Amino acid sequence: GESVGLHLPTLSVQEGDNSIINCAYSNSASDYFIWYKQESGKGPQFIIDIRSNMDKRQGQRVTVLLNKTVKHLSLQIAATQPGDSAVYFCAESGNYQLIWGAGTKLIIKP
Amino acid sequence: EAGVAQSPRYKIIEKRQSVAFWCNPISGHATLYWYQQILGQGPKLLIQFQNNGVVDDSQLPKDRFSAERLKGVDSTLKIQPAKLEDSAVYLCASSLGVTAYEQYFGPGTRLTVT
Repeated sequence: GESVGLHLPTLSVQEGDNSIINCAYSNSASDYFIWYKQESGKGPQFIIDIRSNMDKRQGQRVTVLLNKTVKHLSLQIAATQPGDSAVYFCAESGNYQLIWGAGTKLIIKP
Repeated sequence: EAGVAQSPRYKIIEKRQSVAFWCNPISGHATLYWYQQILGQGPKLLIQFQNNGVVDDSQLPKDRFSAERLKGVDSTLKIQPAKLEDSAVYLCASSLGVTAYEQYFGPGTRLTVT
């Protein structure tokens, strides 16, 4: 679950469409997963979390899906807005710490 | 409630100089984290405190980096001497406890070493 280099994967979405951001995690024993949003010049901000005994959790305009079989996590954002522009990170729990995945930059097209 | 406070927000120093960053976590949060974030990457944990004790500092370059949280509240992170590769954003985060994975981040300090 280490981060990749300087070139962030980028997702461009039309304003109003749904966004799906994907993440592969590494530790099948992780029991807790979090999505963070990081806007330019700010620290990461908690969006939503999910425990390993669940496969779906919904929040306000966001849904997280967990597929433990393939160790895959996704974040769905409904009706994407300009304020959703940011870098999104997934993180998994491990040994009292978070293990951060590579970020995805979400760009909203007007 | 007030969030995690950090200062300064920006710092430019020359290599081999020293620098210190300050963090005030959310009131009541026992666990405090210092992360280094290089542009385009996720945060890398440098050190984790539980109250005023160190939980993990395995990724802290101890020959040049030091951190303390003397009274279990505020914390400082110091770099001495700085190298060019230390240019990054230094993020402070806090959580209720060591098993509370929901972490709250400050705005970070952007360090540029020239």
